[in-house]
Amino acid sequence: EAQVTQNPRYLITVTGKKLTVTCSQNMNHEYMSWYRQDPGLGLRQIYYSMNVEVTDKGDVPEGYKVSRKEKRNFPLILESPSPNQTSLYFCASSDRGQLNEKLFFGSGTQLSVL
Amino acid sequence: GENVEQHPSTLSVQEGDSAVIKCTYSDSASNYFPWYKQELGKGPQLIIDIRSNVGEKKDQRIAVTLNKTAKHFSLHITETQPEDSAVYFCAATKTGANSKLTFGKGITLSVRP
Repeated sequence: EAQVTQNPRYLITVTGKKLTVTCSQNMNHEYMSWYRQDPGLGLRQIYYSMNVEVTDKGDVPEGYKVSRKEKRNFPLILESPSPNQTSLYFCASSDRGQLNEKLFFGSGTQLSVL
Repeated sequence: GENVEQHPSTLSVQEGDSAVIKCTYSDSASNYFPWYKQELGKGPQLIIDIRSNVGEKKDQRIAVTLNKTAKHFSLHITETQPEDSAVYFCAATKTGANSKLTFGKGITLSVRP
């Protein structure tokens, strides 16, 4: 089954404790992206990757890091989480090579930073 | 850059009625307009999209219309059912190698049984 898998689904942590949210897709998509969803603000892009070893900032990259060492994986790293990073996070992928803009989203990671 | 606005933020309809959700965009160069549906506890899922070379597209009970002159596009859902209750996001982009999809803030549709 074609899917984007995020882990964990829920995460509670404390300020300053480094964490990683993993994202993996099995569709051989070149493009991957991270979004955060906050009430009243919709979906805002954090980082995206056009291909392996190619990453770029989205609209709200501060406090986040990403890496794309393999085509299927695109982890989101919070080196020193702060309470304002409490949010619902989504990973997404698409096959931009075919000019197909359809995004496939993961099920989300609800992060709470205390 | 592109700015996409959705109003209102919530919409409530009676089961069986039609629902219309409107979005406006700012960049006249945008040529691709998808709609995503997010059910409770799930990620957004593409339900329909339209490109700027057509004015309307239909898929069973849902349709999307595009007015390029006015820079707005709308999602139409007929014969609404409780399972249509969800958050709906519109988005816009100019397709290309470095295109960026800009989402609206989302609208919560509630279908009253």
